[in-house]
Amino acid sequence: QVQLQESGPGLVKPSQTLSLTCTVSGGSISSGGYYWSWIRQHPGKGLEWIGYIYNSGSSYYNPSLKSRVTISVDTSKNQFSLKLTSVTAADTAVYYCARFDYGGKRGFDYWGQGTLVTVSS
Amino acid sequence: EIVLTQSPGTLSLSPGERATLSCRASQSVSSSYLAWYHHKPGQAPRLLIYGASSRATGIPDRFSGSGSGTDFTLTISRLEPEDFAVYYCQQYGSSPETFGQGTKVEIK
Repeated sequence: QVQLQESGPGLVKPSQTLSLTCTVSGGSISSGGYYWSWIRQHPGKGLEWIGYIYNSGSSYYNPSLKSRVTISVDTSKNQFSLKLTSVTAADTAVYYCARFDYGGKRGFDYWGQGTLVTVSS
Repeated sequence: EIVLTQSPGTLSLSPGERATLSCRASQSVSSSYLAWYHHKPGQAPRLLIYGASSRATGIPDRFSGSGSGTDFTLTISRLEPEDFAVYYCQQYGSSPETFGQGTKVEIK
C-alpha cells in the first residue's frame, strides 16, 4: 500500500518561501507511469492543482502559480518537494501531496493527509 | 481551463437513501477523464471513480459514476454512515487539471 506523508513548517512569513517535502513509502518514486503531485485547499474552499513531476525530473505547473513554483524529486530518498516563493496570506492552505496515475489514467489515486501552512507575520 | 460546477452544494439525506451528485464541465472532458473523490476533514481524499465510470480498487459497488462530454453523475445507491462527506469531481483530460467546488453530503 502506497503511503505519502507531507512535512515542513506550518508557519511561513509573508514574502518568504514555503517549502514542503513529501515522503513516499510502500512504493518507489522511480516507478514509471506516475506523476508526483502537489495540490492545495484554501480554508473553506475547493481543491487546486499546483503541479507535478515525473521521476525523470520533468515538471508541469498550474499556469496561475507557475512563476512562483518549483517541484523537485529526490529518487534516492523517495521524496519530492515543493517550493513556493513570495508567499502571501492567499497562500494559506492545506497542502496535499498525491500520486497521479498517468499510465493507468486513473487520476490521483493516493494522497497524503495534508499539512496546514499558514502565512502570517 | 475547464471549470467544473458541482450541484447541489449540499445534499441532506438519511442513511440508506440514494444520493445523486452532478458535475458539469464548461467544455467537453477529453476521453471522459473525469474522477470523483470522497473527502472527510483531516483525512486524505480517496479516489472513488476514474474514467467517469470505473470504480477504484476497493470501492464498494454502491458507488457508480456515469456521463460523458460535459455532464457527469456520481450515484451512491444506499448511503452508509461513512459516506457522509464532501465529494469532488476532477478532470484530467486537459491541463491544468481542475476540481469542482465540492458537494457536501450531510445527515438529515
